[in-house]
Amino acid sequence: GAGVSQTPSNKVTEKGKYVELRCDPISGHTALYWYRQSLGQGPEFLIYFQGTGAADDSGLPNDRFFAVRPEGSVSTLKIQRTERGDSAVYLCASSRGSGRTDTQYFGPGTRLTVL
Amino acid sequence: AQSVAQPEDQVNVAEGNPLTVKCTYSVSGNPYLFWYVQYPNRGLQFLLKYITGDNLVKGSYGFEAEFNKSQTSFHLKKPSALVSDSALYFCAVLKSSGDKLTFGTGTRLAVRP
Repeated sequence: GAGVSQTPSNKVTEKGKYVELRCDPISGHTALYWYRQSLGQGPEFLIYFQGTGAADDSGLPNDRFFAVRPEGSVSTLKIQRTERGDSAVYLCASSRGSGRTDTQYFGPGTRLTVL
Repeated sequence: AQSVAQPEDQVNVAEGNPLTVKCTYSVSGNPYLFWYVQYPNRGLQFLLKYITGDNLVKGSYGFEAEFNKSQTSFHLKKPSALVSDSALYFCAVLKSSGDKLTFGTGTRLAVRP
C-alpha cells in the first residue's frame, strides 16, 4: 500500500515569505506527526495530531509555525515570515492510533531552503 | 528529561563482518525504543522496536537489537554486513507518557566491499 507522501519534495523561498508544506498520511492512520531535521541532526518533534486536533504542539519553535489537519487526514504545516534558520528537512509521520506502541511511519520529507 | 545518545558518528565495517551501532538512553519509567534507517534523499524507514518482553528484538533486513536495562542500552546488530546496509541509523526513545519520539544524532554506517 501507499506510504506517507509529502509535497513538495523541495521548496526554495526567500526570507520573509510564507510557505505551506503538505503531508498525506497512510490511509486509515489517525495519528500524524511533524518533525524537523536540520543538517547533521536527528529529527526533532514539532507537533502531533490525533484526528483533527493538535494533541501536542509543544515542539513548534514560535508562533510563525502553525499546522492544521481539518478533516483528520491530510495535514499542512504553515510557516510565516520565513527565516534562514528555518531551512531544514520537514518530515511527516503517521501511525495507526494513539497507542504508544504504534510504529510511526515517515514520509520522504520536504527540503526547505530559505535564501 | 529524556534523551538518547549515539556515541559514534560513524562506524566502518567490512562486508560479511558483524556490525554493531550503539545507543544508550536516559528516560524515566519503562522506555520504548526504536531504530530507524535513512538512505540518501529518502525518509526514515522503521527497522525495529522494543516495547516489552524478550530483550532481543528482531527486525527488518536481518537487523536485531538487544535491550539491556542495567546498561540502559539498545545496540543495533547484524551478524553479516552488506554494502547495501550503508546508511544513516537513528535510535529513538518514546517517553512513557507521550507520543513524540526523541532521536539521537545518528550514526553513519559505512560497509566496505
